[in-house]
Amino acid sequence: DTGVSQDPRHKITKRGQNVTFRCDPISEHNRLYWYRQTLGQGPEFLTYFQNEAQLEKSRLLSDRFSAERPKGSFSTLEIQRTEQGDSAMYLCASSLLGINEQFFGPGTRLTVL
Amino acid sequence: GNSVTQMEGPVTLSEEAFLTINCTYTATGYPSLFWYVQYPGEGLQLLLKATKADDKGSNKGFEATYRKETTSFHLEKGSVQVSDSAVYFCALKGGSQGNLIFGKGTKLSVKP
Repeated sequence: DTGVSQDPRHKITKRGQNVTFRCDPISEHNRLYWYRQTLGQGPEFLTYFQNEAQLEKSRLLSDRFSAERPKGSFSTLEIQRTEQGDSAMYLCASSLLGINEQFFGPGTRLTVL
Repeated sequence: GNSVTQMEGPVTLSEEAFLTINCTYTATGYPSLFWYVQYPGEGLQLLLKATKADDKGSNKGFEATYRKETTSFHLEKGSVQVSDSAVYFCALKGGSQGNLIFGKGTKLSVKP
């Protein structure tokens, strides 16, 4: 399968713990995006990378959140000291520079107890 | 700032009924417009798109026309099927902006 993949698909953690999610974009896609989707809402933008450079961060991305794309391929999103309000679906998408279409992965569903 | 407003659901239709899901937007400049669909248990899939005024996007029997004068991009299908049951999201992307801005989604249920 050559689509966007995310790991894990589900994560249950206790409040205060750190979690890390991984996204593997479609190969050769130089842009990678992270979104968060809560129940009954549309996805909300968190941050995006062009190659290894993080070009934009949303105000939703508090200082407990950090994202990396060290080699311009896969990306990780870490949440430190998780809170119950962090419970959501975290979506990753990728695209080619200059092409509007973004391809989404299946998401990682985070539940913070 | 840029925003998208969709009609609230859920929408329940009988098979073969006509579907319209309204979407209006607020944006500076000339955004690109999209409809994404999310089937139960699956990720978001691009359904159709339009990149300039009066463009019509179409796919799988669905259509939407980019109307700049009314800032709208309504989704239509002439005859829905049970398999069309899903959540539909309208989205826009501004000119120099990297990310998509989504509406809240409209859940469609089609009954046989």
